[in-house]
Amino acid sequence: AQTVTQSQPEMSVQEAETVTLSCTYDTSENNYYLFWYKQPPSRQMILVIRQEAYKQQNATENRFSVNFQKAAKSFSLKISDSQLGDTAMYFCAFMKQYSGNTPLVFGKGTRLSVIA
Amino acid sequence: DSGVTQTPKHLITATGQRVTLRCSPRSGDLSVYWYQQSLDQGLQFLIQYYNGEERAKGNILERFSAQQFPDLHSELNLSSLELGDSALYFCASSGQGAPTFGYTFGSGTRLTVV
Repeated sequence: AQTVTQSQPEMSVQEAETVTLSCTYDTSENNYYLFWYKQPPSRQMILVIRQEAYKQQNATENRFSVNFQKAAKSFSLKISDSQLGDTAMYFCAFMKQYSGNTPLVFGKGTRLSVIA
Repeated sequence: DSGVTQTPKHLITATGQRVTLRCSPRSGDLSVYWYQQSLDQGLQFLIQYYNGEERAKGNILERFSAQQFPDLHSELNLSSLELGDSALYFCASSGQGAPTFGYTFGSGTRLTVV
């Protein structure tokens, strides 16, 4: 079974600074997908960024980028120019290659606080 | 609005009772997933339905059951409720193809058992 580990329960960052959230996972699969979801105080789960394991290029979405290290099974999220609205829980998630019954497996999350 | 509708948003009930949580997936989505998020925990997968059929089962208690109806909405039934069942219950949906772009989540139902 796949597992996802987020080793930082809480982090804080000054507004406009850069912060990196860590995620490691354990799998024997070769093809899979990785995701970062954001859960603000409204509790809505919002997809931030996704990465396909077969792509070596790291995904980027505006101020959000990932550092995907397949051999190390590491998938960290970098937030640049942090904004107050980035304050949220961030969840790393794993999904193996689709086979009809492929649930997302989530880590326990990192609570990020952006400080003015 | 994500397009996935969950009702009710909040529910308070007593131990031993039974409740039903409802989810309407995004238009056109055939798969529905249920997750439980307890305090300070990640999301735990409960069960998946695809076009009315159960596809995958996670850590779902025997006291819990679910179904997906012909109109594709889904219901999660929780019975003999215990204090530890208090949690946020999420429904998510995905389209006909592979959900490799992730799921679309509803805003959750906050269940409080007293």
